[in-house]
Amino acid sequence: AQKVTQAQTEISVVEKEDVTLDCVYETRDTTYYLFWYKQPPSGELVFLIRRNSFDEQNEISGRYSWNFQKSTSSFNFTITASQVVDSAVYFCALTLNRDDKIIFGKGTRLHILP
Amino acid sequence: SAVISQKPSRDICQRGTSLTIQCQVDSQVTMMFWYRQQPGQSLTLIATANQGSEATYESGFVIDKFPISRPNLTFSTLTVSNMSPEDSSIYLCSAQTFRDSDYEQYFGPGTRLTVT
Repeated sequence: AQKVTQAQTEISVVEKEDVTLDCVYETRDTTYYLFWYKQPPSGELVFLIRRNSFDEQNEISGRYSWNFQKSTSSFNFTITASQVVDSAVYFCALTLNRDDKIIFGKGTRLHILP
Repeated sequence: SAVISQKPSRDICQRGTSLTIQCQVDSQVTMMFWYRQQPGQSLTLIATANQGSEATYESGFVIDKFPISRPNLTFSTLTVSNMSPEDSSIYLCSAQTFRDSDYEQYFGPGTRLTVT
């Protein structure tokens, strides 16, 4: 069975600090897709990134970066120079196929303190 | 990207009644999904809305309680039937879009349901 674990339930950091959100996944399949979503207080889910299992390159998008390591089954998300607007719940997720359901982790609530 | 809208955005309903939530996508999509997010919890898939056939339900969810329609490639509805306070949740519609042989999955803004 597939599983996504986000061990950090809640994190608080002061603005401008860097913060890493951890994500560990479990699957026996060799083909899968990993996601990160942001859910701000308004409630909508914002798509951040999708990574397939054959692409282990790290990705950087502005202040956001993702570290995908198949050896440790991890797909961690780092926010550099955090801002108050980054405060949200962040979900890591996994799917095996394009047409399949997405399995979500329990989420990490991130508080950026001014 | 796809823009997904949901109606209503929120509602307060009495127990025993039913509510139908509408999901509209601004482009044709193959796969649409309905998720539930209970207060302070993660997202749980209710069902996959298939165009032209019955929805596929996940364990713990049944058609009598959550009937789903998918009349075309841009629209779906979810009905929450015979509601109880335990149905108070955010209900989110989701759709997959394909671009350059790859895909993304987007979510609607959600419908915040309170059952009294």
